[in-house]
Amino acid sequence: NFMLTQPHSVSGSPGETVTISCTGTGGSVASNYVHWYQQRPGSAPTTVLYEDDQRPSGVPDRFSGSIDISSNSASLTISGLKTEDEADYYCQSYHGSDHAVFGGGTQLAVL
Amino acid sequence: EVQLVQSGGALVQPGGSLRLSCAASGFDVSDTYMSWIRQAPGKGLEWVAVIYIGGTTYYADSVKGRFTISRDGSNNTLYLQMNSLRDEDTALYFCAKEKDRWFDPWGQGSLVTVSS
Repeated sequence: NFMLTQPHSVSGSPGETVTISCTGTGGSVASNYVHWYQQRPGSAPTTVLYEDDQRPSGVPDRFSGSIDISSNSASLTISGLKTEDEADYYCQSYHGSDHAVFGGGTQLAVL
Repeated sequence: EVQLVQSGGALVQPGGSLRLSCAASGFDVSDTYMSWIRQAPGKGLEWVAVIYIGGTTYYADSVKGRFTISRDGSNNTLYLQMNSLRDEDTALYFCAKEKDRWFDPWGQGSLVTVSS
Protein backbone atom coordinates (compact mmCIF):
# COMPACT_ATOMS: atom_id res chain seq x y z
CA ASN A 1 0.00 0.00 0.00
CA PHE A 2 1.13 3.51 -0.84
CA MET A 3 1.88 5.62 2.21
CA LEU A 4 3.16 9.14 2.82
CA THR A 5 5.37 9.78 5.85
CA GLN A 6 5.95 13.20 7.39
CA PRO A 7 8.01 14.29 10.39
CA HIS A 8 5.86 14.67 13.48
CA SER A 9 7.05 18.21 14.14
CA VAL A 10 9.36 20.96 12.91
CA SER A 11 10.14 24.36 14.33
CA GLY A 12 11.72 27.64 13.39
CA SER A 13 12.03 31.23 14.47
CA PRO A 14 10.31 34.14 12.78
CA GLY A 15 12.08 35.01 9.55
CA GLU A 16 13.72 31.62 9.18
CA THR A 17 13.09 28.97 6.53
CA VAL A 18 11.69 25.53 7.32
CA THR A 19 11.12 22.51 5.11
CA ILE A 20 8.60 19.75 5.71
CA SER A 21 9.22 16.48 3.93
CA CYS A 22 6.68 13.94 2.69
CA THR A 23 8.23 10.59 1.80
CA GLY A 24 6.42 7.96 -0.21
CA THR A 25 6.61 4.22 0.39
CA GLY A 26 4.97 1.53 -1.68
CA GLY A 27 4.96 3.72 -4.75
CA SER A 28 6.48 6.75 -6.45
CA VAL A 29 5.54 10.29 -5.40
CA ALA A 30 6.16 11.22 -9.02
CA SER A 31 3.28 9.04 -10.21
CA ASN A 32 0.63 11.46 -8.96
CA TYR A 33 0.76 15.09 -7.90
CA VAL A 34 1.34 15.95 -4.24
CA HIS A 35 -0.76 18.61 -2.56
CA TRP A 36 -0.30 20.40 0.77
CA TYR A 37 -2.83 21.63 3.33
CA GLN A 38 -2.57 23.89 6.35
CA GLN A 39 -4.84 23.24 9.33
CA ARG A 40 -5.08 25.64 12.23
CA PRO A 41 -6.63 24.42 15.50
CA GLY A 42 -10.40 24.17 15.31
CA SER A 43 -10.53 24.82 11.57
CA ALA A 44 -10.87 22.84 8.39
CA PRO A 45 -7.76 22.37 6.24
CA THR A 46 -6.99 24.85 3.50
CA THR A 47 -4.76 24.36 0.47
CA VAL A 48 -1.33 25.98 0.47
CA LEU A 49 0.08 24.11 -2.54
CA TYR A 50 -1.45 21.93 -5.24
CA GLU A 51 0.11 19.87 -8.02
CA ASP A 52 3.50 19.73 -6.29
CA ASP A 53 4.35 23.44 -6.45
CA GLN A 54 1.35 25.54 -7.44
CA ARG A 55 -0.03 28.17 -5.06
CA PRO A 56 -3.73 28.94 -4.89
CA SER A 57 -4.60 32.61 -5.10
CA GLY A 58 -4.08 34.27 -1.76
CA VAL A 59 -1.22 32.01 -0.63
CA PRO A 60 1.98 34.03 -0.34
CA ASP A 61 5.07 33.12 -2.37
CA ARG A 62 6.82 32.31 0.92
CA PHE A 63 5.28 28.86 0.39
CA SER A 64 6.96 26.68 -2.21
CA GLY A 65 7.07 23.02 -3.11
CA SER A 66 9.26 20.50 -4.85
CA ILE A 67 9.62 16.82 -5.69
CA ASP A 68 12.83 14.81 -5.28
CA ILE A 69 12.61 11.58 -7.25
CA SER A 70 15.90 10.25 -5.84
CA SER A 71 14.51 10.28 -2.30
CA ASN A 72 10.91 9.64 -3.39
CA SER A 73 9.77 12.64 -1.46
CA ALA A 74 7.93 15.91 -1.77
CA SER A 75 8.77 19.01 0.24
CA LEU A 76 6.96 22.09 1.45
CA THR A 77 9.27 25.01 2.18
CA ILE A 78 8.14 28.07 4.10
CA SER A 79 10.49 31.02 4.03
CA GLY A 80 10.34 34.21 6.11
CA LEU A 81 8.45 32.36 8.84
CA LYS A 82 5.65 34.23 10.54
CA THR A 83 3.84 33.39 13.75
CA GLU A 84 0.65 32.97 11.71
CA ASP A 85 2.27 30.01 9.92
CA GLU A 86 2.06 27.97 13.12
CA ALA A 87 -0.27 25.11 12.21
CA ASP A 88 -0.42 21.46 11.17
CA TYR A 89 0.56 20.68 7.58
CA TYR A 90 -0.54 17.62 5.61
CA CYS A 91 0.63 16.28 2.27
CA GLN A 92 -1.81 14.36 0.08
CA SER A 93 -1.66 12.33 -3.09
CA TYR A 94 -3.52 9.47 -4.71
CA HIS A 95 -2.89 5.75 -4.62
CA GLY A 96 -3.69 4.50 -8.08
CA SER A 97 -6.66 6.49 -9.26
CA ASP A 98 -9.23 5.75 -6.61
CA HIS A 99 -7.91 6.27 -3.09
CA ALA A 100 -6.64 9.55 -1.71
CA VAL A 101 -3.73 9.22 0.71
CA PHE A 102 -2.69 11.72 3.38
CA GLY A 103 0.57 12.00 5.23
CA GLY A 104 0.38 11.81 9.00
CA GLY A 105 0.76 15.55 9.41
CA THR A 106 3.54 17.81 10.69
CA GLN A 107 3.10 20.26 13.53
CA LEU A 108 4.95 23.51 12.79
CA ALA A 109 5.96 25.58 15.79
CA VAL A 110 7.16 29.15 15.29
CA LEU A 111 9.24 29.86 18.35
CA GLU B 1 -18.82 31.78 -3.73
CA VAL B 2 -18.11 28.07 -3.56
CA GLN B 3 -19.13 26.84 -0.11
CA LEU B 4 -19.92 23.64 1.77
CA VAL B 5 -22.09 23.64 4.91
CA GLN B 6 -22.31 20.45 6.91
CA SER B 7 -24.88 19.08 9.34
CA GLY B 8 -25.78 15.86 11.08
CA GLY B 9 -23.03 15.16 13.60
CA ALA B 10 -24.15 13.47 16.82
CA LEU B 11 -23.44 11.05 19.66
CA VAL B 12 -24.42 7.52 18.64
CA GLN B 13 -24.11 4.13 20.29
CA PRO B 14 -21.87 1.40 18.87
CA GLY B 15 -23.72 -0.48 16.16
CA GLY B 16 -25.90 2.51 15.43
CA SER B 17 -26.39 4.55 12.28
CA LEU B 18 -26.06 8.20 11.32
CA ARG B 19 -26.32 10.28 8.15
CA LEU B 20 -24.17 13.32 7.53
CA SER B 21 -25.17 16.04 5.08
CA CYS B 22 -23.07 18.54 3.15
CA ALA B 23 -24.99 21.31 1.37
CA ALA B 24 -23.16 22.91 -1.52
CA SER B 25 -23.52 26.38 -2.97
CA GLY B 26 -21.78 28.02 -5.90
CA PHE B 27 -21.44 24.78 -7.85
CA ASP B 28 -23.33 21.59 -8.66
CA VAL B 29 -22.35 18.51 -6.59
CA SER B 30 -23.29 16.31 -9.55
CA ASP B 31 -20.72 17.97 -11.83
CA THR B 32 -17.62 17.26 -9.78
CA TYR B 33 -15.91 14.64 -7.63
CA MET B 34 -16.87 14.90 -3.95
CA SER B 35 -15.19 13.22 -0.97
CA TRP B 36 -15.55 12.64 2.74
CA ILE B 37 -12.45 12.85 4.93
CA ARG B 38 -12.28 12.30 8.68
CA GLN B 39 -10.00 13.21 11.55
CA ALA B 40 -10.02 11.24 14.79
CA PRO B 41 -9.40 13.31 17.95
CA GLY B 42 -5.78 14.45 18.02
CA LYS B 43 -4.97 12.49 14.87
CA GLY B 44 -4.32 13.14 11.20
CA LEU B 45 -6.57 13.20 8.16
CA GLU B 46 -8.00 9.98 6.74
CA TRP B 47 -9.76 9.83 3.38
CA VAL B 48 -13.08 7.97 3.67
CA ALA B 49 -14.96 7.94 0.37
CA VAL B 50 -15.37 9.57 -3.04
CA ILE B 51 -18.22 9.82 -5.54
CA TYR B 52 -17.40 10.54 -9.17
CA ILE B 53 -19.42 12.54 -11.69
CA GLY B 54 -20.89 9.38 -13.19
CA GLY B 55 -21.88 8.08 -9.76
CA THR B 56 -19.06 5.56 -9.24
CA THR B 57 -18.01 5.35 -5.59
CA TYR B 58 -14.89 4.19 -3.78
CA TYR B 59 -14.26 3.67 -0.07
CA ALA B 60 -11.40 3.27 2.35
CA ASP B 61 -11.03 -0.32 3.50
CA SER B 62 -11.84 0.75 7.06
CA VAL B 63 -15.42 1.74 6.11
CA LYS B 64 -16.18 -0.41 3.08
CA GLY B 65 -19.49 -2.22 3.44
CA ARG B 66 -20.63 0.04 6.31
CA PHE B 67 -20.61 3.57 4.84
CA THR B 68 -22.34 4.85 1.70
CA ILE B 69 -21.59 8.11 -0.08
CA SER B 70 -24.36 9.60 -2.19
CA ARG B 71 -25.63 12.91 -3.52
CA ASP B 72 -28.94 14.57 -4.37
CA GLY B 73 -28.75 16.98 -7.25
CA SER B 74 -32.20 18.38 -6.57
CA ASN B 75 -31.07 19.89 -3.28
CA ASN B 76 -27.38 20.01 -4.20
CA THR B 77 -26.31 17.99 -1.18
CA LEU B 78 -23.73 15.29 -0.52
CA TYR B 79 -24.44 12.59 2.05
CA LEU B 80 -22.57 9.98 4.06
CA GLN B 81 -24.71 7.19 5.47
CA MET B 82 -22.83 5.45 8.27
CA ASN B 83 -24.05 2.10 9.56
CA SER B 84 -22.67 -0.40 12.08
CA LEU B 85 -20.70 2.38 13.73
CA ARG B 86 -17.69 1.48 15.86
CA ASP B 87 -15.76 3.31 18.55
CA GLU B 88 -12.95 3.88 16.05
CA ASP B 89 -15.31 5.81 13.76
CA THR B 90 -15.33 8.64 16.30
CA ALA B 91 -13.99 11.63 14.38
CA LEU B 92 -14.60 15.02 12.86
CA TYR B 93 -15.94 14.35 9.37
CA PHE B 94 -15.27 16.81 6.55
CA CYS B 95 -16.82 16.92 3.11
CA ALA B 96 -14.68 18.35 0.34
CA LYS B 97 -14.92 19.23 -3.32
CA GLU B 98 -12.23 17.72 -5.50
CA LYS B 99 -10.31 19.82 -8.00
CA ASP B 100 -8.07 17.63 -10.12
CA ARG B 101 -7.52 15.21 -7.23
CA TRP B 102 -6.95 17.82 -4.52
CA PHE B 103 -9.52 19.06 -2.06
CA ASP B 104 -10.90 22.56 -2.05
CA PRO B 105 -12.97 23.82 -0.39
CA TRP B 106 -13.75 21.80 2.71
CA GLY B 107 -16.85 21.88 4.86
CA GLN B 108 -16.59 23.06 8.44
CA GLY B 109 -16.72 19.52 9.84
CA SER B 110 -19.31 17.39 11.65
CA LEU B 111 -18.42 15.68 14.91
CA VAL B 112 -19.42 12.04 15.20
CA THR B 113 -18.95 10.40 18.59
CA VAL B 114 -19.54 6.68 18.91
CA SER B 115 -19.90 5.70 22.54
CA SER B 116 -22.18 3.81 24.86
